[in-house]
Amino acid sequence: DGGITQSPKYLFRKEGQNVTLSCEQNLNHDAMYWYRQDPGQGLRLIYYSQIVNDFQKGDIAEGYSVSREKKESFPLTVTSAQKNPTAFYLCASSIVGQGGQPQHFGDGTRLSIL
Amino acid sequence: QQPVQSPQAVILREGEDAVINCSSSKALYSVHWYRQKHGEAPVFLMILLKGGEQKGHDKISASFNEKKQQSSLYLTASQLSYSGTYFCGTVTSGGYQKVTFGIGTKLQVIP
Repeated sequence: DGGITQSPKYLFRKEGQNVTLSCEQNLNHDAMYWYRQDPGQGLRLIYYSQIVNDFQKGDIAEGYSVSREKKESFPLTVTSAQKNPTAFYLCASSIVGQGGQPQHFGDGTRLSIL
Repeated sequence: QQPVQSPQAVILREGEDAVINCSSSKALYSVHWYRQKHGEAPVFLMILLKGGEQKGHDKISASFNEKKQQSSLYLTASQLSYSGTYFCGTVTSGGYQKVTFGIGTKLQVIP
């Protein structure tokens, strides 16, 4: 079955540490996205990519970095510059089309500070 | 800028109807609706493109008034399975994939 796999499900970060969240999809989608979800704030876009080797900043990109070396993979690194990283992180993918296309979400990674 | 959703929360009894509204200060190309159950990933419900079309999905339908930059999601004869948080997402340009989501409307259906 096609889908999006995020790992790990839970992740703990120490002060000053970078951590990487994995996102893999086998839906053959060109576009991939990373969102951060905090209570009462909905889904906020961190980065998105419409094609391999290209990505754009979303609304809250500071303290995060991404790469898109393969169509299937869009890992997110939470750097030590992100001072408040505790949140639920969701990865999504979609085909590319006018007006945006339905996004398929992974089950998320919950990141906490140690 | 995030679209504004209203109400922020609503409690319904089974069989009752509900309307969730989504409005934007920017001209919109499309509006997306998703539902997220507690602890789960958001699930796509429908997309409405500019042109004022109304879409239906079982007993859940939606409308899009592009002149007012507003969309409404209609849930009729609600079922327990409708409980969750509903998010609208807006796209301001046809060429881009960026969807900006509202903070959500928490809907609880009780017996």
